[in-house]
Amino acid sequence: DADVTQTPRNRITKTGKRIMLECSQTKGHDRMYWYRQDPGLGLRLIYYSFDVKDINKGEISDGYSVSRQAQAKFSLSLESAIPNQTALYFCATSDLEAGQETQYFGPGTRLLVL
Amino acid sequence: GIQVEQSPPDLILQEGANSTLRCNFSDSVNNLQWFHQNPWGQLINLFYIPSGTKQNGRLSATTVATERYSLLYISSSQTTDSGVYFCAVEDGANSKLTFGKGITLSVRP
Repeated sequence: DADVTQTPRNRITKTGKRIMLECSQTKGHDRMYWYRQDPGLGLRLIYYSFDVKDINKGEISDGYSVSRQAQAKFSLSLESAIPNQTALYFCATSDLEAGQETQYFGPGTRLLVL
Repeated sequence: GIQVEQSPPDLILQEGANSTLRCNFSDSVNNLQWFHQNPWGQLINLFYIPSGTKQNGRLSATTVATERYSLLYISSSQTTDSGVYFCAVEDGANSKLTFGKGITLSVRP
């Protein structure tokens, strides 16, 4: 079974709709992240959380919100979707092990906003 | 914030060839990771290497922190090595990774 899962894997929505992308992990990690990937731009950080009570904005948080419901769950919401939010979205987790922090990614959610 | 530049942006290899992918960064780092994104979009961590050299099978990586660059070596390339390779760094000031734009590698049979 996958350690980091994302639902849905694909989503088509219309401009103005509110949608939620969900992420769950079984790795027991405290740190969770949401990124978006656009062609030619690499990955950009939207929000991150270092524990259940900690939420931080990333590089491109405008138009997005998050909820850390539990250590294992971190959801990303688009309050009113717009076409330039069409992208591939990744959830990731990490933890410090022996002084080394490695990020583990979910399979991604492809979002199309019409 | 810290800048990350990867080169070359695109690379085409014949199966069996060797290659070197480069990552330059603009400031001191306490975390540097290399990732491979396969053609299906899955991102896999290859190395955690803020300094020194590591090897894993046909892949190896070296980071020279004092000169602010890292190299990923792929030897005897295979078609399954195709995809995009990302370098990501953390400068310690903000505890989060900044990604480069990636290097697209195509290995032809």
